[in-house]
Parts: sequence; structure tokens; C-alpha cells
Amino acid sequence: EVQLVESGGGSVQPGGSLRLSCAASGFTLSNSWMSWVRQAPGKGLEWVANMQRDGSEKYLNSVEGRFTVSRDSAKSSFYLQMNSLRAEDTAVYYCARRAYTAFHIWGQGTMVTVS
Amino acid sequence: QSALTQPPSASGSPGQSVTISCTGSNNDVGGYNYVSWYQQHPGKAPKLMIYEVTKRPSGVPDRFSGSKSGDTASLTVSGLQAEDEADYYCSSYADGQVFVFGTGTQVTVL
Repeated sequence: EVQLVESGGGSVQPGGSLRLSCAASGFTLSNSWMSWVRQAPGKGLEWVANMQRDGSEKYLNSVEGRFTVSRDSAKSSFYLQMNSLRAEDTAVYYCARRAYTAFHIWGQGTMVTVS
Repeated sequence: QSALTQPPSASGSPGQSVTISCTGSNNDVGGYNYVSWYQQHPGKAPKLMIYEVTKRPSGVPDRFSGSKSGDTASLTVSGLQAEDEADYYCSSYADGQVFVFGTGTQVTVL
């Protein structure tokens, strides 16, 4: 069964850092397009970052330079390193597996509170 | 990276149809046939319902269908059922190899 499980969320002060993890099972991470999507409390979905199959990265303008995606194929894990956190980064963060054009598989999400 | 525009709400009685619009620009919806739609129940993760404008993943009922004309995509839910009551979001691949989501539509089954 294809599954994604996020962890690493929590509360942090403005300016602080957190690293979110996404454990993948049922598929090969290194052959997959992966993304992070977030949802602020009571708000809509917002795409945050992509990692392509070739390892290249793309970011939402407002997180460029503060957030970094990475993967560890040996651990079958996908990560989001978040630095210089702001109140407006408060959200549930979902990792998602893309079939290039859409987000086919989603994790259950992990909450990040910056306060 | 501006959000795509959706109506805040839509509703219909059981058995009826409801259509949700998703308006972008030539840099996203109008420029690519890569529009997808997601269903989200309260407290749950989103679920893919339609991808590449018209395609349905395995397991999604054929009551859900998608279309696109110019810069506007649409999701139609036919034969509304109680379990279709949820928030729906569109998304599009956009210039610069990024993605943008819609503002979301709350669907109510009367």
C-alpha cells in the first residue's frame, strides 16, 4: 500500500527552525515527484515546494531562501527544513506524491505553530 | 503565484448536479491541461478527484467530471450524495514549474 506519514511538527518561536519528515512506503522515493502543501487554520490549500525526480527544487516565493526540501532514499524519507519561521507559516503541512501533474497521494499532515 | 478563483460556496439537493468553476490565467489554467481537483472533508487530508482536466483516478465515482474552456476549469458533481458534502479545491500547474491552488468551494448537500 502506498502511504505517506509526516512527523516533526510542533510549536516554535518566530525566527526559529523546524524539520518536517515524510516517511514513504509502497513506492520508490527516488523515482517520484514529491511536494509539500500547507493549509493555514481555516484557510485553503497552498503549494509550498517541489522536488522533481532529478532532484531539482522549486519553491513558493514567500518561502524561497528559508525552506529547503531534501530526500534520503535509503531511509525512504522526504524532508522540509524550515528556517526563519514567521507567524504566517503556521499551518498543517502535508507531503504529497505527485504523478508529475497532480498530487495523487497525501499524508495525514503535521501541524506547525509559529508563535 | 496568485490563487485561482473559485466561488466560496455551492449547493444542491440529493440527486441534483452542482458545478464549481476555477478561473486562472494563461500562465496556469489556460496554458496547460494540468488542472486537478481535490475533495477535503473536515479534519482530513485532501483526496484527488480529477487530474489533467478530465481524468478520474481509480476508485473515484464517474459522478465526478471535469472540463476546461480557456482560463476557466470546472468540476461537475452529478447525482449529489450526502457524502459529497465537503470542500473542493482546484489546482493547476503553472509557469516556472510551480503549482497554484484555488481559493476553495464549500459544497453543501441540502
